[in-house]
Amino acid sequence: ELKVEQNPLFLSMQEGKNYTIYCNYSTTSDRLYWYRQDPGKSLESLFVLLSNGAVKQEGRLMASLDTKARLSTLHITAAVHDLSATYFCAVEDSWGKLQFGAGTQVVVTP
Amino acid sequence: GAVVSQHPSRVICKSGTSVKIECRSLDFQATTMFWYRQFPKQSLMLMATSNEGSKATYEQGVEKDKFLINHASLTLSTLTVTSAHPEDSSFYICSVPKAEASSSYEQYFGPGTRLTVT
Repeated sequence: ELKVEQNPLFLSMQEGKNYTIYCNYSTTSDRLYWYRQDPGKSLESLFVLLSNGAVKQEGRLMASLDTKARLSTLHITAAVHDLSATYFCAVEDSWGKLQFGAGTQVVVTP
Repeated sequence: GAVVSQHPSRVICKSGTSVKIECRSLDFQATTMFWYRQFPKQSLMLMATSNEGSKATYEQGVEKDKFLINHASLTLSTLTVTSAHPEDSSFYICSVPKAEASSSYEQYFGPGTRLTVT
């Protein structure tokens, strides 16, 4: 059974500082996703990571994947208030089903 | 623009009644769609896989007779919550996978349907 562990579950960020969210998973997977969710809304896709060593960056967010360690990280550079949201990683199994992490609630304060 | 739509976005129904939620793929055909459920302050949990041309497959613990799924066409899947109870109140989200090439793959999520059972 595929299990996904995400930590931390809550992250209080100061504006301007850097932070990392971690996502560990238990079995081999072809794809790992990062999503953002704002309160009351659905998921917004941030990144799809397909291969070992994949690194993708968009603005202040950078995601990486190490398939050997079964670890993905979402790095936030110089946090700003607009980044306050809940972030989920999700790992896809061979059937296309997604197993989600518990989510990280991010609050950015001045 | 939106790739996946859901209707309705919000519904309130009385306990014991049934409610149907639609998920439409707007830009491409999909033989598979997924239905997820999210309770407040929790993560998303897969409920079932909707398969065009065959029966849906349900995750362990999800009652197939209560959550009826019909993949009506290559662009439409419906989820019917039968005999709804307050504990079925949740945020229901569908996703549609799309593979354009080996290096281009995405799962597109609908905007969600918030169900409240009174």
